[in-house]
Formats: sequence, C-alpha cells, structure tokens
Amino acid sequence: GQSLEQPSEVTAVEGAIVQINCTYQTSGFYGLSWYQQHDGGAPTFLSYNALDGLEETGRFSSFLSRSDSYGYLLLQELQMKDSASYFCAVSPQGSSYKLIFGSGTRLLVRP
Amino acid sequence: DTAVSQTPKYLVTQMGNDKSIKCEQNLGHDTMYWYKQDSKKFLKIMFSYNNKELIINETVPNRFSPKSPDKAHLNLHINSLELGDSAVYFCASSQERQGRTATIYFGEGSWLTVV
Repeated sequence: GQSLEQPSEVTAVEGAIVQINCTYQTSGFYGLSWYQQHDGGAPTFLSYNALDGLEETGRFSSFLSRSDSYGYLLLQELQMKDSASYFCAVSPQGSSYKLIFGSGTRLLVRP
Repeated sequence: DTAVSQTPKYLVTQMGNDKSIKCEQNLGHDTMYWYKQDSKKFLKIMFSYNNKELIINETVPNRFSPKSPDKAHLNLHINSLELGDSAVYFCASSQERQGRTATIYFGEGSWLTVV
C-alpha cells in the first residue's frame, strides 16, 4: 500500500522561505507531485519529480530522494497569496490511473 | 473556457434522497476521476475511468454509481444519501503517459451537504 505523511500546519512570515516535507511508504511509484489548494478552490498542479533531485519552477522548488523515501516542497519569497494547503501525491507503479494524495499541509503566511 | 466543469457547485439535500453530480472536461483527456475531500481536507480517490471504462473503484459503497457516456463526461449518482456523504466531490481528468498518471486537472468541486 501507499501512505504519505505531511505536517498538518506550517506558519511562516511574508518574504521568508518555507519547506514542506513529505515522507512516504510505498512499494513503488513513478514520481512525486505537489498540488496547491486555496480554501474553497480546486487542487492545482505545482511540480513533479520523476527523478531524485531538485526541480525548480519560479519561486517553488521540489525535491525527491527515493533512497530516503522523502520529498519536500520549497517556497521562496513567500507571499500572502501562498497561504493555502499543499499536498504531495504519488502515482503508484502497477496502479495506473490514479494519484494517491498525502494528508496535506496548511501553510499560513503572516505579514 | 473551463477545462473541467462540474455541476452543481453546491447541493444541500436530506438524508435518503438521491442526487447526481455532472462533470465534463474539454481537454481531450482519456482518463477521468471522482475524488472525495472530507472535512479534514483528505483527498481520496473514488473512481477512475479510462476511455469510458471503469478502471478503479476504491471500495466505495454501492450507493455511489459513476457513469461515463463518453470520455469527456463522468457523472456521479448517489442513492440514499447519508450524513457521512457530506463532503466536497471533485471531478478530475488526466492524460496517461507511459503508464503513469500525468498532471491531474481538477474541477471546482461540488459541495454536498446532507441534512
């Protein structure tokens, strides 16, 4: 089976850098994705790591280490609009046609 | 143009009623999904369809019946609604690439409240 654990809540100051961790237990997966969801909105895709290492997309970066069963999302130059929930997700090998989502991390950015 | 659209956005109904949520995607994707998000914001897959064929049914009660008339539409019918069915239901779509699920595009969600 698969399970992905994230901290439930993280608070940071505007302009700062924050890291949201995702640890997982899974028998195998194609890659690790990250999604953002604002209150009342739909989850939207942020980033995908097929291979170990760092992927950078503007202010957001995502990292994967399969040997450590660990990944993270790094948000730089935090803005108030970054206050949202962030979910890591995996596409399991042998179980195509679905994404398994983590428990989600609520990020609160303070002025 | 909305990529994945679902209706209704809000639905309040009494226990025991039957209700449907409709979903359409104009992205040309082959795969569509229903996800349920509970009050703790946990996102759980319910069903996925590929080219109108049911691929995944994640131990969802029989009261939930998805129907895909074509690959651009995936509707969800719920019979005999229970209080525990109150949640946000997200329709989504994606295009499979090399055996893995690529980016999933979600609709805006349907907020179901059973009273």
